[in-house]
Amino acid sequence: GEQVEQLPSILRVQEGSSASINCSYEDSASNYFPWYKQEPGENPKLIIDIRSNMERKQIQELIVLLDKKAKRFSLHITDTQPGDSAMYFCAASNYAQGLTFGLGTRVSVFP
Amino acid sequence: NSKVIQTPRYLVKGQGQKAKMRCIPEKGHPVVFWYQQNKNNEFKFLINFQNQEVLQQIDMTEKRFSAECPSNSPCSLEIQSSEAGDSALYLCASSLETGSAETLYFGSGTRLTVL
Repeated sequence: GEQVEQLPSILRVQEGSSASINCSYEDSASNYFPWYKQEPGENPKLIIDIRSNMERKQIQELIVLLDKKAKRFSLHITDTQPGDSAMYFCAASNYAQGLTFGLGTRVSVFP
Repeated sequence: NSKVIQTPRYLVKGQGQKAKMRCIPEKGHPVVFWYQQNKNNEFKFLINFQNQEVLQQIDMTEKRFSAECPSNSPCSLEIQSSEAGDSALYLCASSLETGSAETLYFGSGTRLTVL
């Protein structure tokens, strides 16, 4: 089945700077790559996604990049704010089992 | 915002007890997924349905869980005999179809604690 690696596991950034999270996958048939944000005690919430027919997508301060050849995708949070502190999960679509998730990145934004 | 409804929000059981949780998928979504998120934040796929039929499930689910998605009733996931290692957040999600790039929105989850 699909395997997704996510790095780093912990990311501390200063408020106003950018945060970048990188993921890689193995199954070249994966065609959908969502990102979820999860705050303590809450369920994961979809924040942005990208499909395999795109290389870049931006929603406000969130940018996702997809390199299908390298089987890598990434999330970039520009101008980070305290409210961006949370766990972030990448995932890749796998036909049989829906999504395969990375192990998460704990993002902490400090003043 | 997710329109997947999960109940109960919290569930506390003793070892060996049954633990049942329910999920109402988003209206019109025939495909339902159950995932387990453990204390290390790892997601584990458990089972998925299309309408009332099981599409795929892992070995653990087949052996220890009872799951169904009856028509016109909530889907359910029940652990037949709870173990301490079952303590986790159980997440339900629904989608229009499998395979293609379908967005999954999760319900609020059921947090199970097995004492």
